[in-house]
Amino acid sequence: AQKVTQAQTEISVVEKEDVTLDCVYETRDTTYYLFWYKQPPSGELVFLIRRNSFDEQNEISGRYSWNFQKSTSSFNFTITASQVVDSAVYFCALSGRNTGFQKLVFGTGTRLLVSP
Amino acid sequence: DGGITQSPKYLFRKEGQNVTLSCEQNLNHDAMYWYRQDPGQGLRLIYYSQIVNDFQKGDIAEGYSVSREKKESFPLTVTSAQKNPTAFYLCASTEGSGPKNIQYFGAGTRLSVL
Repeated sequence: AQKVTQAQTEISVVEKEDVTLDCVYETRDTTYYLFWYKQPPSGELVFLIRRNSFDEQNEISGRYSWNFQKSTSSFNFTITASQVVDSAVYFCALSGRNTGFQKLVFGTGTRLLVSP
Repeated sequence: DGGITQSPKYLFRKEGQNVTLSCEQNLNHDAMYWYRQDPGQGLRLIYYSQIVNDFQKGDIAEGYSVSREKKESFPLTVTSAQKNPTAFYLCASTEGSGPKNIQYFGAGTRLSVL
């Protein structure tokens, strides 16, 4: 079975603070993909990043960075110097090779509140 | 601009009524999906379709029905058999059907019961 756990339900920070959103996953697939999505108050899920199980390099995109560690089955997301516009719900998701189609298993999300 | 359009943005259902949520994409994607989102929960898959005239049940298909007569359209009907329809519904699409494909989402429809 595949499962994604986002233990942090809600995080509140003040603007310019760094914040890390945790994601822990479970899968028996040897090939799998991990995703992060952002859901702003408007409701639409916005794709942020995809990582496959064979690529453990960390990735940085502007103020966003991702730390993928297979040894701990984690794919954590860090926002550096947070801004009010970062306020949203962030979802981590997993897809496995053996599902036969692109089925995403989502975590329950972490709500990030960035105050001025 | 390419994207996924969901309509209406808000929808109200009366007891015993069927309602249909629209999802249209102009991305030329083969696969389309419907998810349900409840407060404090992740997204749960209702139905998906990999090609025209074919669709499969997801994890919570009971009380819902879909059709895929055109590549760009994947409407979802919430039937009277769905006893707890109040939720946020999201439609998504992918270019292909493998696990590496990125799902792109519409802006959602919020359904409430009168």
